[in-house]
Amino acid sequence: AQSVTQPDIHITVSEGASLELRCNYSYGATPYLFWYVQSPGQGLQLLLKYFSGDTLVQGIKGFEAEFKRSQSSFNLRKPSVHWSDAAEYFCAVASRGSARQLTFGSGTQLTVLP
Amino acid sequence: NAGVTQTPKFQVLKTGQSMTLQCAQDMNHNSMYWYRQDPGMGLRLIYYSASEGTTDKGEVPNGYNVSRLNKREFSLRLESAAPSQTSVYFCASSDQLSGNTIYFGEGSWLTVV
Repeated sequence: AQSVTQPDIHITVSEGASLELRCNYSYGATPYLFWYVQSPGQGLQLLLKYFSGDTLVQGIKGFEAEFKRSQSSFNLRKPSVHWSDAAEYFCAVASRGSARQLTFGSGTQLTVLP
Repeated sequence: NAGVTQTPKFQVLKTGQSMTLQCAQDMNHNSMYWYRQDPGMGLRLIYYSASEGTTDKGEVPNGYNVSRLNKREFSLRLESAAPSQTSVYFCASSDQLSGNTIYFGEGSWLTVV
């Protein structure tokens, strides 16, 4: 069974600082990989996804993520965090079957200090 | 540009009551899903429907039933609500034509007292 681990429950960074959110997955083959963001009281918005090809993927709002097969990781990065980035971030993996069942990590809550 | 629409957005139930969460998508997607979100546990799949006419259990199906009414609609029913079902519920949909991306509704906040 596939699983996702986000080892950091809560991260605090200062505005303008760089950010890296960690994600490790367990899956028999290369899955589809996603990062979603959730603001308080809102649904989930897709930041970026990896299906194949270039292992460095660019997303919305200046985020990027790098797929490292050898480490089973898909870490999310942003060079300069803005106060509006404060939210909860979820990493997810999906099987390559006919129904894209997503398995989510438990999330990382990001706080941005002024 | 509605995407995935869920109703109701908020609901309070008494233990033992029943209710149905409605979900509709206007993107002509084949696959639809119901997730629940609980603090510290991310989102967990309750049921999914790979295509119209099919449904399958996910990770946490106990206490729930689903109906894929047609290609657009996928409802989630709680027959006898329990406090453990207090959660935020998300409907989602996807399709190969959407680049295999899963799109989520805005969530339904359910409290069982």
